Amino acid sequence: AQSVSQHNHHVILSEAASLELGCNYSYGGTVNLFWYVQYPGQHLQLLLKYFSGDPLVKGIKGFEAEFIKSKFSFNLRKPSVQWSDTAEYFCAGWYNNNDMRFGAGTRLTVKP
Amino acid sequence: EAQVTQNPRYLITVTGKKLTVTCSQNMNHEYMSWYRQDPGLGLRQIYYSMNVEVTDKGDVPEGYKVSRKEKRNFPLILESPSPNQTSLYFCASSPWTGRTDTQYFGPGTRLTVL
Repeated sequence: AQSVSQHNHHVILSEAASLELGCNYSYGGTVNLFWYVQYPGQHLQLLLKYFSGDPLVKGIKGFEAEFIKSKFSFNLRKPSVQWSDTAEYFCAGWYNNNDMRFGAGTRLTVKP
Repeated sequence: EAQVTQNPRYLITVTGKKLTVTCSQNMNHEYMSWYRQDPGLGLRQIYYSMNVEVTDKGDVPEGYKVSRKEKRNFPLILESPSPNQTSLYFCASSPWTGRTDTQYFGPGTRLTVL
């Protein structure tokens, strides 16, 4: 079965540190990849998505992700985090059999 | 305002007592979906619907039912809830112009089954 995995369960950073959250997806034909964020007490919302073209995708709030097909990876990055980035981050893949798979999530805590 | 609404937001019930969690979207989206979120497991898809009267099982459909009689509504039904269905539930919708679509999530329903 298709799956999406996230390596880090909880990441703690200080403000201005750089961020990279890992995401790997299983092979399953065509897959479209997403990063969603869930701020405390709020809905999940889209950060960015990739389905074709430039493998370096830019999203909202300074986030970006790179699709590396040879590594089945779609890691999320931000050069300098802020306290307001404290949230839970979910990587997700939408496979061509209409299967939508989410990773387990990474909780990010940014210390001021 | 474009949104996905769920009701109730919080529910405590007892084993075996049938319940329904409603989901409604006002964006005329074709695709709707239900997920449950559990610690360490992320979101897992329960059921999805690609249009009215078209529903399909997701990853964890056991113990759940859905219906899609109108485009805007997609209720989740637990005929005989059990404690292992205690979870946080999210409804989502998207335009369904393909699998590149963003999903728009509701606020979540926290269900406790005693």
